[in-house]
Amino acid sequence: GQNIDQPTEMTATEGAIVQINCTYQTSGFNGLFWYQQHAGEAPTFLSYNVLDGLEEKGRFSSFLSRSKGYSYLLLKELQMKDSASYLCAVREGRGGGNKLTFGTGTQLKVEL
Amino acid sequence: DTEVTQTPKHLVMGMTNKKSLKCEQHMGHRAMYWYKQKAKKPPELMFVYSYEKLSINESVPSRFSPECPNSSLLNLHLHALQPEDSALYLCASSQDVGVTYEQYFGPGTRLTVT
Repeated sequence: GQNIDQPTEMTATEGAIVQINCTYQTSGFNGLFWYQQHAGEAPTFLSYNVLDGLEEKGRFSSFLSRSKGYSYLLLKELQMKDSASYLCAVREGRGGGNKLTFGTGTQLKVEL
Repeated sequence: DTEVTQTPKHLVMGMTNKKSLKCEQHMGHRAMYWYKQKAKKPPELMFVYSYEKLSINESVPSRFSPECPNSSLLNLHLHALQPEDSALYLCASSQDVGVTYEQYFGPGTRLTVT
């Protein structure tokens, strides 16, 4: 089984930087994804890490430490439209399917 | 076309009804998924289809019956549901299951069981 923890809520200021942490315990780790989900909408893919280190994609970066069971999503130059739920999802290396288990999500509120 | 479409957007059904949810993608993806999402909760995997064959069933009750008629379509047949089955049902697809491709999600069907 898997245990994935994220903070429930975070608040940040427009233009600032925010870091959303995710810790996980899993057997057969095979990758970690970050998704963004606006209220009432489908999750959209942000980033993916399978090796240790930092992946950068524009204003979004994601970091992974497999030995620590830890990842974070870094959002720079925050915009109001970044207010959303951010979901950490761990892929279990299990034959027959690309199985993702999602964390409970972090609700980010960006304020002026 | 990087879109996954789902119909209907909203569905209200009684506990004795039979209905179906539909999902379609034209990205040539060979893996398709059904997730259930309750309010303020993360999506929970229900089923995975790989090359039109069911590869994962996460111990879902038999009142939910998936079907993959072809590589572009995925259905979820509903029968004798309970009020606690009310949720957002999300369909997703990915290029394959053997390697870690991102999943593309549809907008979901919001189901209410009365």
